[in-house]
Amino acid sequence: KAGVTQTPRYLIKTRGQQVTLSCSPISGHRSVSWYQQTPGQGLQFLFEYFSETQRNKGNFPGRFSGRQFSNSRSEMNVSTLELGDSALYLCASSLPGTSGKPYNEQFFGPGTRLTVL
Amino acid sequence: GQNIDQPTEMTATEGAIVQINCTYQTSGFNGLFWYQQHAGEAPTFLSYNVLDGLEEKGRFSSFLSRSKGYSYLLLKELQMKDSASYLCAVRVWNYGQNFVFGPGTRLSVLP
Repeated sequence: KAGVTQTPRYLIKTRGQQVTLSCSPISGHRSVSWYQQTPGQGLQFLFEYFSETQRNKGNFPGRFSGRQFSNSRSEMNVSTLELGDSALYLCASSLPGTSGKPYNEQFFGPGTRLTVL
Repeated sequence: GQNIDQPTEMTATEGAIVQINCTYQTSGFNGLFWYQQHAGEAPTFLSYNVLDGLEEKGRFSSFLSRSKGYSYLLLKELQMKDSASYLCAVRVWNYGQNFVFGPGTRLSVLP
């Protein structure tokens, strides 16, 4: 079974530009979450999508947005990039809540490393 | 507010036992998760606790005390491949996936 895939793996942008990152979840997984990971702040939750709807949102400015398509693939967009947006962006997918387990294990993709110059 | 604390770094010897502590103060609690992350790789799930007590899974065990806001991950018979960062995360809401992660503990296993 293929894992979570993210594209591109590496990206270099300049301040003020915008960027779109893509995530393809494991087949059958309908929940997709996005995280930002930096050395100083650790792993921070951005948002979660389920069945094309944003179900949860972290504490990030409106420059960070996302969407999910009917095939569960998800994209996140960051507009007006700032130097502080340089980070590893991780996507994670999981099964719906009716998977039979008391928890829904998240499977992470390899991440997109974004550098803002 | 949401706050999770873990030691920044730990060092242990191959074959030994190490305990990584995690304390949390979150607005909600619907389970505590431990993840392992090797350098340059994605986090992978290790364990889950939602009730007080110990959960054992091979060489790894995780403990939870909800009244104390405290958890630990116990790694036995350490191997060199256990050198990684260990992330403690609290699921704060029972609707969907909404996690608060700790800063991670970087464990170095020495020969």
